[in-house]
Amino acid sequence: DQQVKQNSPSLSVQEGRISILNCDYTNSMFDYFLWYKKYPAEGPTFLISISSIKDKNEDGRFTVFLNKSAKHLSLHIVPSQPGDSAVYFCAAILSGGYNKLIFGAGTRLAVHP
Amino acid sequence: DGGITQSPKYLFRKEGQNVTLSCEQNLNHDAMYWYRQDPGQGLRLIYYSQIVNDFQKGDIAEGYSVSREKKESFPLTVTSAQKNPTAFYLCASSIGGPDTQYFGPGTRLTVL
Repeated sequence: DQQVKQNSPSLSVQEGRISILNCDYTNSMFDYFLWYKKYPAEGPTFLISISSIKDKNEDGRFTVFLNKSAKHLSLHIVPSQPGDSAVYFCAAILSGGYNKLIFGAGTRLAVHP
Repeated sequence: DGGITQSPKYLFRKEGQNVTLSCEQNLNHDAMYWYRQDPGQGLRLIYYSQIVNDFQKGDIAEGYSVSREKKESFPLTVTSAQKNPTAFYLCASSIGGPDTQYFGPGTRLTVL
């Protein structure tokens, strides 16, 4: 039973355009969401997070949007750069839990010139 | 430089042998975690520790064991009981409570 779903395994975007990565979740008790970026054979790197009490958080080229009613999370990267090419994981934390991260399967982003 | 180190980066093991993966952090984080990643899948939690001398099973703990004798260290032993041990293993740490986890570079274990 996947509680965090990333339904698009891959996404291809032209350099300079916007990349939108999507994530859906099923558990309404999640209260904190994170996005990680991962290159092959390396550990994930934290990108950006959002608390469930907010609907938007921005950090430079990265913006995360949270729609609690739809149980949907998205990461916007604008403008996209070739160095953004990586696998992006969405993760969620359960409220009252022990900080257990529940990960989606990831979306591979390819930014081409 | 503060961070998380994992060693070795690549590890080969013969079937039936136990092997221990190292994880060290100098971030002064209380909590540490072990995850496993398989191709095309997200990360799955093996074990976690919120404080020294205490650890809990995650979702896929069977065939694994851990210890947490020091705040900085959280080694993972992959035992011969683990049926499919070939994977990419990631260690992480956090301050504790709902908070960002920071990951090490990972160890790729291959069982021959």
